[in-house]
Amino acid sequence: GAVVSQHPSWVICKSGTSVKIECRSLDFQATTMFWYRQFPKQSLMLMATSNEGSKATYEQGVEKDKFLINHASLTLSTLTVTSAHPEDSSFYICSARDPRSLGGNQPQHFGDGTRLSIL
Amino acid sequence: DAKTTQPPSMDCAEGRAANLPCNHSTISGNEYVYWYRQIHSQGPQYIIHGLKNNETNEMASLIITEDRKSSTLILPHATLRDTAVYYCIVRADNAGNMLTFGGGTRLMVKP
Repeated sequence: GAVVSQHPSWVICKSGTSVKIECRSLDFQATTMFWYRQFPKQSLMLMATSNEGSKATYEQGVEKDKFLINHASLTLSTLTVTSAHPEDSSFYICSARDPRSLGGNQPQHFGDGTRLSIL
Repeated sequence: DAKTTQPPSMDCAEGRAANLPCNHSTISGNEYVYWYRQIHSQGPQYIIHGLKNNETNEMASLIITEDRKSSTLILPHATLRDTAVYYCIVRADNAGNMLTFGGGTRLMVKP
């Protein structure tokens, strides 16, 4: 079945550095991918919608200059957390839907997430 | 998308059926009911979805009331590996592909 893969699964870095997270659709092409963030003991919050070949759409309150999204190909979207600080530490998850699925009601496939820790 | 209400937590004995309720009293006619679960430190996993009729797959059964204002996810024989947070989400088929997650139900399966 369809699979979405994220890399890395966890990363620890110093405050002020930038971190790139990759989201790949392994056996389907995804024109749209979604990035979520999840803080401990909280639910997933949508950050942005990544659109292949065009600009990402950010949810209210999410800084587009801090969370750079690039969707350069139909199988890869990247999220770069720029100048990361401890408050950016979180669990970042991407998702996509296989467009080959008939109808708009088919389920999303999620990556296994990336745990980001900023020291 | 319509709002959903789920109990924050539930316990279930291993081997017994786990029945997870979800209220979605403002659901619209074109909105589907989806269930996902999230095991600790993993991404959400799709379980099942339905519109009006009850649905069953290898993981679970979904029972939707006739007025569609509530539904129940049934795990027929819960195992310890079913311990997770279960999310009930309603979404229209023309609402784009994003999902809006609520608080979910933390199911603890106990030996």
